[in-house]
Amino acid sequence: DTEVTQTPKHLVMGMTNKKSLKCEQHMGHRAMYWYKQKAKKPPELMFVYSYEKLSINESVPSRFSPECPNSSLLNLHLHALQPEDSALYLCASSPLGGDNLQPQHFGDGTRLSIL
Amino acid sequence: AQTVTQSQPEMSVQEAETVTLSCTYDTSESDYYLFWYKQPPSRQMILVIRQEAYKQQNATENRFSVNFQKAAKSFSLKISDSQLGDAAMYFCAYRSWAGTSGSRLTFGEGTQLTVNP
Repeated sequence: DTEVTQTPKHLVMGMTNKKSLKCEQHMGHRAMYWYKQKAKKPPELMFVYSYEKLSINESVPSRFSPECPNSSLLNLHLHALQPEDSALYLCASSPLGGDNLQPQHFGDGTRLSIL
Repeated sequence: AQTVTQSQPEMSVQEAETVTLSCTYDTSESDYYLFWYKQPPSRQMILVIRQEAYKQQNATENRFSVNFQKAAKSFSLKISDSQLGDAAMYFCAYRSWAGTSGSRLTFGEGTQLTVNP
């Protein structure tokens, strides 16, 4: 079973639509991440939240807007996306502090297609 | 900046045989962590094994083991008694000190492993 839950699993949207991706974890992790992954490529980091505050933004276009309403939930709001934004979007979480060997736990991802 | 290199885009192995996936990295840091993740077609990234740089002993998890050579900056993954379920894309990943800003993972380009029956 996946400990990081992402919804929806698939999303098809037009370039003028507004949609949101959701990620939830109940492991008590205080760091949460968004990654973008193209086919047969490694994940690319987009955003990192630490203690519900945005700590890393990898120069992501403003059409992607992250939000962390609480320690268990992470959203990614999408608006006016481009066809090249079609990809698998992965959410991950990890503990902060303590044992630094603790890995990131990934969700199953949302497959996003932009028409 | 750290870089991770996986020189084998594709590998194949016969079921029950052993295969080794290579990974090298470049860093100026002395304290860091290394991971192998697998990503089957189901898409989820699954942790396979992890290694702390300050530990000389190679990590082992059941059929999976690593050969960690810190001086050579090499971190290869050995899969013994390969099973059909091991077929996946394997990513080597580097992580420096986590601190309070979240832990940035640097991934290699991946190795697609095929297991032949």
